Amino acid sequence: QSVLTQPPSVSAAPGQEVTISCSGNTSNIGRNYVSWYQQFPGTAPRLLIYDNLQRPSGIPDRFSGSKSGTSATLGITGLQTGDEADYYCASWDNSLTAILFGGGTKLTVL
Amino acid sequence: VKLQQWGAGLLKPSETLSLTCAVYGSSFNNYYWSWIRQPPGKGLEWVGEVNYDGSTNYNPSLKSRVTISLDTSKNQFSLKLSSVTAADTAVYFCARGRNSKTLWGQGTLVTVSS
Repeated sequence: QSVLTQPPSVSAAPGQEVTISCSGNTSNIGRNYVSWYQQFPGTAPRLLIYDNLQRPSGIPDRFSGSKSGTSATLGITGLQTGDEADYYCASWDNSLTAILFGGGTKLTVL
Repeated sequence: VKLQQWGAGLLKPSETLSLTCAVYGSSFNNYYWSWIRQPPGKGLEWVGEVNYDGSTNYNPSLKSRVTISLDTSKNQFSLKLSSVTAADTAVYFCARGRNSKTLWGQGTLVTVSS
């Protein structure tokens, strides 16, 4: 069981907006940056968001990140069928001195 | 800029997993170099990292069995995981960075089976 908690799945219609939550504690999200990754089956993850809300070059502004207290949220607007993937949050944990990944959220675009 | 990884894909229980990741087009300086694994059908699990100065951090659940090292002369870093069991069966990825893993290897499926 992951220390960073994500919903197992979310779904929405094309063109709609969806949010994915990531809940941690004061040892990880509460004191450190959060990053988000997108993964398609059979491929390596791709960085979507780093430092809570920054987007690497090439990531569309349909993807956004935010953090409040010990939780973080990934937002995706204008959903496309090509956004169907697994999404993972990650953060450093000061107590464990380790990177933690959330359990992952499967996004379905209906 | 890319990472290319390789290593044995089939191991017997109690053997040592050994993977190498070659770094092309990037300096080692100022980066953490990481290993992450993903059991079939499951989520991502951080294995550990080595800093460009050679210092390391490991997943507490694997710490007694893991060694990650740098070879700056070859622009490579490596993972060794000893005493493997079926629970270590996974796709192993190498990656650059700590909080922002911007570059990933292609992944190597390692299967542990007798």
